[in-house]
Amino acid sequence: EDQVTQSPEALRLQEGESSSLNCSYTVSGLRGLFWYRQDPGKGPEFLFTLYSAGEEKEKERLKATLTKKESFLHITAPKPEDSATYLCAVQAVGSNYKLTFGKGTLLTVNP
Amino acid sequence: DAGVIQSPRHEVTEMGQEVTLRCKPISGHNSLFWYRQTMMRGLELLIYFNNNVPIDDSGMPEDRFSAKMPNASFSTLKIQPSEPRDSAVYFCASSLGTTDTQYFGPGTRLTVL
Repeated sequence: EDQVTQSPEALRLQEGESSSLNCSYTVSGLRGLFWYRQDPGKGPEFLFTLYSAGEEKEKERLKATLTKKESFLHITAPKPEDSATYLCAVQAVGSNYKLTFGKGTLLTVNP
Repeated sequence: DAGVIQSPRHEVTEMGQEVTLRCKPISGHNSLFWYRQTMMRGLELLIYFNNNVPIDDSGMPEDRFSAKMPNASFSTLKIQPSEPRDSAVYFCASSLGTTDTQYFGPGTRLTVL
């Protein structure tokens, strides 16, 4: 069974204080790893897809990286507007459409 | 472009009543997904449609839940009869193809009293 574990469950940062969120996964064969951002009262918003170990993608202050066992979401010099829950999901080879989600990391950035 | 549209955004009902949630996927997308999100279990896939045909309903919790997709631009998720443990946020998502990125709607927050 595919499993995704995200840590920490919650993270509080000061504005400008860089950090990383972790997503550990167990899957029979990885087709893709997805990062989403979810604001309170809204649906998950797509950020990145990573397909192979060593791949990196960036968007503004966010950079996602992938190894064979985990993914990191690095947040550089965060701003209060980066506060949200960040969700990680895996899609396994052979299961095509199915996304298995982690419980998320609630990030709070204080001004 | 309009994203995934869901209605209603909030629904409060009493135990035993029928509840119908609605979803309009992104135009041109041929895959549609219904998810449920709770604090305890996170996001769980309930059912997946491809080209309006239900492909995988293994996540539907019990026979009280049913879903339909009569055409490419509309889907419903129905709960009859509803129970307090059905209280959750229900999301609809769509994707261009089976394995492509899934785009989520704003969700329907369901409260069953």
